[in-house]
Amino acid sequence: ELKVEQNPLFLSMQEGKNYTIYCNYSTTSDRLYWYRQDPGKSLESLFVLLSNGAVKQEGRLMASLDTKARLSTLHITAAVHDLSATYFCAVDPIYTGTASKLTFGTGTRLQVTL
Amino acid sequence: DVKVTQSSRYLVKRTGEKVFLECVQDMDHENMFWYRQDPGLGLRLIYFSYDVKMKEKGDIPEGYSVSREKKERFSLILESASTNQTSMYLCASSPPGGLKNIQYFGAGTRLSVL
Repeated sequence: ELKVEQNPLFLSMQEGKNYTIYCNYSTTSDRLYWYRQDPGKSLESLFVLLSNGAVKQEGRLMASLDTKARLSTLHITAAVHDLSATYFCAVDPIYTGTASKLTFGTGTRLQVTL
Repeated sequence: DVKVTQSSRYLVKRTGEKVFLECVQDMDHENMFWYRQDPGLGLRLIYFSYDVKMKEKGDIPEGYSVSREKKERFSLILESASTNQTSMYLCASSPPGGLKNIQYFGAGTRLSVL
């Protein structure tokens, strides 16, 4: 059974600081997704990482994938309050060309304080 | 923009009732999914469908069934609701195959079973 673990589960950080969220998974996969969820809202796709060594950046967020270590990281640079949300990673273990059957991590609730 | 619409944001039902959760997407996506989201557990896949009238069990199908009579609509059915089915239910859709296979989510239905 595929397991996807995120840590930390909760992160409170000050504005301007840097931090990293970790996503470990237990089976071979080279497709990993990061989503963001604001309170009371739906999940929004942030990044899709499709190969070993993939790195994607958008604003203050940067995601990377190391398939050999089965690890993805989401790095936050100089956090701002608007980044407060819950972040999920999701792994697609078997790409069949039809429906991706994603397994999600537990989520990391990020709170950026002034 | 892709739009995934869930018919209710909040529902309160009694134990033993039959419950229908409806989801409609407007982007002609082949694939549709139902998840439940619980604190500390992330999102867990209940059922998915990759074509009209086709369905496959996810990780936690017990106590649920689904219906996909039209491409744009995917219904989740709780035949006899129980209190342990109190949760947030999220619907998602994605296009067929393709390299990225991103899933697009609805806003969710928060179901309380009393």
